[in-house]
Amino acid sequence: QQQVKQSPQSLIVQKGGIPIINCAYENTAFDYFPWYQQFPGKGPALLIAIRPDVSEKKEGRFTISFNKSAKQFSLHIMDSQPGDSATYFCAASISNFGNEKLTFGTGTRLTIIP
Amino acid sequence: KAGVTQTPRYLIKTRGQQVTLSCSPISGHRSVSWYQQTPGQGLQFLFEYFSETQRNKGNFPGRFSGRQFSNSRSEMNVSTLELGDSALYLCASSLGGVTNEQYFGPGTRLTVT
Repeated sequence: QQQVKQSPQSLIVQKGGIPIINCAYENTAFDYFPWYQQFPGKGPALLIAIRPDVSEKKEGRFTISFNKSAKQFSLHIMDSQPGDSATYFCAASISNFGNEKLTFGTGTRLTIIP
Repeated sequence: KAGVTQTPRYLIKTRGQQVTLSCSPISGHRSVSWYQQTPGQGLQFLFEYFSETQRNKGNFPGRFSGRQFSNSRSEMNVSTLELGDSALYLCASSLGGVTNEQYFGPGTRLTVT
């Protein structure tokens, strides 16, 4: 059972554009939603995360928008650069002590063209 | 502060053999989680250890096992390797509280022939 659905599978955006990656979850117990960035040959790197008590969070050029009623969240990358070309994963978990399990989306391969 | 380290980075094994992968978490982190990453199944949770105890386990066969030492370093073992076990095995560490912020290592690329 896929509990976190991510789209699109791949995305090509021109430099300076705003790529948007969407995720939807099913389990209403999820209350922690991180995004990871992965370059080829590397492990995923934590980019930004949000909890359901806020609808938006910004860190640098990365913004998460969260819609609790729709059970959806998305990543926006402002002023995208070729160096942002990577695979992005959304994830979700239940933040109670003793549970570190992250459920991941299927990933979005982002390409920023100059 | 040094990040999560994993050894070895690359490994080639034959079907039926067993393999042990190692993970050293970020200093001060007490929780270590393991994930398997494949093109077909994506990132899947294997298990998580905290203070030498397995707290959570994913949906993998018993051939996959792990342990954690008193210094929080962790190992995972896969016995009787199958071709389908070829994957990138990732280790992630966290403080182990309620923050859930997990930091991943570079992974071990296992190829089973």
